[in-house]
Amino acid sequence: EAGVAQSPRYKIIEKRQSVAFWCNPISGHATLYWYQQILGQGPKLLIQFQNNGVVDDSQLPKDRFSAERLKGVDSTLKIQPAKLEDSAVYLCASQGSGYNEQFFGPGTRLTVL
Amino acid sequence: QKEVEQDPGPLSVPEGAIVSLNCTYSNSAFQYFMWYRQYSRKGPELLMYTYSSGNKEDGRFTAQVDKSSKYISLFIRDSQPSDSATYLCAMITQGAQKLVFGQGTRLTINP
Repeated sequence: EAGVAQSPRYKIIEKRQSVAFWCNPISGHATLYWYQQILGQGPKLLIQFQNNGVVDDSQLPKDRFSAERLKGVDSTLKIQPAKLEDSAVYLCASQGSGYNEQFFGPGTRLTVL
Repeated sequence: QKEVEQDPGPLSVPEGAIVSLNCTYSNSAFQYFMWYRQYSRKGPELLMYTYSSGNKEDGRFTAQVDKSSKYISLFIRDSQPSDSATYLCAMITQGAQKLVFGQGTRLTINP
């Protein structure tokens, strides 16, 4: 079974630039999550999708972050404009119905200079 | 006060030692307790999963939950260098899907 795929793996940008991350969840998983993991901290949920609808985006900084999940499969997370404090690993996770286990991708490491 | 507190370490022990990792939490509604292991430059992977209070053993790993004290632990017996990773505790309330993570403990097992 293929795992959660994310790209790119690494990204370096200047502050005020924009950036987008892509996630392909495990086939058949209806729930998809985006987390932000700052160095030395645990992952923090940014947004949760159930199929292509948003379940929880209470911790998403909506003035600069946006996310979509078209057709209930792949998802993109965008930051525009980026700030220095956005430097972190952005993790995507997916979860199947009836299970509590979330499967994580390898993450995208973002550095904002 | 954070919902979940975890000693960030780092923790360094010799191979073969027993390792104890701990988390405390403040939300009494948490019912499911998990331990994730995260290797460098990888995503977290589920290691142990416990519902409510009690112990659960899986090979060299034992997870304990004490809801009366709002305290959970992960024990690693006969630790190996391959156990070197960051260990994250995570919790979730009944019926919810939002995981709340501790900040992670970085563990190094020295050969």
